[in-house]
Amino acid sequence: DQQVKQNSPSLSVQEGRISILNCDYTNSMFDYFLWYKKYPAEGPTFLISISSIKDKNEDGRFTVFLNKSAKHLSLHIVPSQPGDSAVYFCAARGWQGAQKLVFGQGTRLTINP
Amino acid sequence: GAVVSQHPSWVICKSGTSVKIECRSLDFQATTMFWYRQFPKQSLMLMATSNEGSKATYEQGVEKDKFLINHASLTLSTLTVTSAHPEDSSFYICSAAPGANRRSTQYFGPGTRLTVL
Repeated sequence: DQQVKQNSPSLSVQEGRISILNCDYTNSMFDYFLWYKKYPAEGPTFLISISSIKDKNEDGRFTVFLNKSAKHLSLHIVPSQPGDSAVYFCAARGWQGAQKLVFGQGTRLTINP
Repeated sequence: GAVVSQHPSWVICKSGTSVKIECRSLDFQATTMFWYRQFPKQSLMLMATSNEGSKATYEQGVEKDKFLINHASLTLSTLTVTSAHPEDSSFYICSAAPGANRRSTQYFGPGTRLTVL
């Protein structure tokens, strides 16, 4: 039972354009969402998060949008840079699971020069 | 700040042997540490949650007798894969949280690639 889904395994974007990564969840008990970036053979690095009481959180080039009614969140990166090429995971956490994170399958983002 | 290290970064072992992986929080005390496993092109799957000084909590389907977790101090947790078999070959990642508050951000280690021959 995949509670957090990233339906696009890969995404290719031209440098300077906007990258939009999507994530859907099924568990309505999730109340906190995070995005992580991961390079091969490395651990994930925290990027940005959002609480369910908000619908948008922005940090520099990264913005996360949350649509609770649709159980959907997205990560926008603008402008996209070559160094953004990595695998991006969205993760969710609910109050019942304390600090437990549930991860999506990941989306491989490739930024083309 | 918030650096988590893992050792070794990769290990190759023979089937039937045991392998120990260390996870250390270098600049903070970690009340809670987590162990994940990632198979190629798949998501990170939580294996267990360990709290300093108490027994680890294992996720459903994870054999606690096969994957021994010890969280002996606030900066060190170890995962021992006992009697490893080729199907245990995977990328093992730990994370550590500075506090027990569920909002504490998890900081991930660089991972350990285990290959069982």
